[in-house]
Formats: sequence, C-alpha cells, structure tokens
Amino acid sequence: EAQVTQNPRYLITVTGKKLTVTCSQNMNHEYMSWYRQDPGLGLRQIYYSMNVEVTDKGDVPEGYKVSRKEKRNFPLILESPSPNQTSLYFCASSPGGPGGYTFGSGTRLTVV
Amino acid sequence: AQSVTQLDSQVPVFEEAPVELRCNYSSSVSVYLFWYVQYPNQGLQLLLKYLSGSTLVKGINGFEAEFNKSQTSFHLRKPSVHISDTAEYFCAVITNFGNEKLTFGTGTRLTIIP
Repeated sequence: EAQVTQNPRYLITVTGKKLTVTCSQNMNHEYMSWYRQDPGLGLRQIYYSMNVEVTDKGDVPEGYKVSRKEKRNFPLILESPSPNQTSLYFCASSPGGPGGYTFGSGTRLTVV
Repeated sequence: AQSVTQLDSQVPVFEEAPVELRCNYSSSVSVYLFWYVQYPNQGLQLLLKYLSGSTLVKGINGFEAEFNKSQTSFHLRKPSVHISDTAEYFCAVITNFGNEKLTFGTGTRLTIIP
C-alpha cells in the first residue's frame, strides 16, 4: 500500500530533550515536506526537500532540522524542544508536478 | 507571496442541505489548487484538485469545486451533506512549480446538524 509513515503518533517530552520524528514513504517520491498544524493557523511548512541531499527552509523553520540522506526518509529533528513547538506535525510526499501530496497520519507532540 | 483565505472558520449545516465552503487565493501567476479534508484524529486526504482545463472539478464523496480566475476563487460545494462529512476542510495552492510548496488556508470546520 502506497503510504507515508510517521513515528511516533504521540509524543510527550520535556523542554530541551532532543527528539526525532521519523518519516518514510514507499512511493519513490522526489518531494518531501514537513508541516505543523496549529488551531486557527492551518498548516505551515517547516522544511522541504526536492531530492536526496537537497533541503530548504519553509515558512517556520526555526528550532527544527531535517536531513534527506535517502529518498524514502525525511526525519524531523528538534535539537532543543520548547513548549511553543507543541503542535501536530505532518510529513508529506509528492512525485512533483500535478500529483499532489500524500500526507502521513500525523505526530502529536507535547513539550512540557 | 501567495496566500490562501478561507473566510469561514466554522460552517454549521443541516443534514441533506447544500453547502459551500469558500476559498480565495492571491497570486498573479498560474496556480494549482487543492481541497483537502481532515476527519477527526486523522491525516489529510485529497478531495479534489484543479490543474488546468475545465473549471469545474469533481472530487470524491460527491464534492465539487469551481475555479474562477477573475475572482481568484476556488469554492467547494456539495449539494446534499451527510453526517459523515463532519470534518475540517483545507484549501491549498501551489504557485511555485519548482519547489512544489503547498500553501494552506486556515481551514473551515464543517459541522453537520442532524
């Protein structure tokens, strides 16, 4: 089944403790992206990647890092999480062109 | 920079009544337009998309949308809603076909009243 898999689905952590949210797609898509969803703000892009080893900032990249060492994986790294990063995170992938994005099921992160 | 406006944050509708969810975008260049649906505690699912050609686009679950270039709108419609349509709906646009950046509106929560 074609899908984008994120892990974990739920995570509660403490301020300053580094964490990684994994994202993997099995569709051989070129483009991958991370979004955060907050009430009243919709989804905002954090980082995106156009191919292996090619990543760039989205609209809200502060406090996040990403890497794209393999085509299928695009982990999101929070080196020192803060409470304002409490949010619902989505990973998505696209073949490019008019294909549209396929979204993962989301990761609900709480930073206390 | 492009933006997407969904003027209605919440829309209550009686079951079997018609509904229209409004979306306007700001862009002076060609666009791809999308509607996504998010059911409670789930990810986003593509409802329909406009790429080019016919301005009336049909999607899944009986939804359709009409692209209006002069009004820069892409409103979503359904002639008769069901309880199962209760969800949040997001309009989104791609204007930069190089980086495939998908810009979202703030969402409209559709509540169906039995």
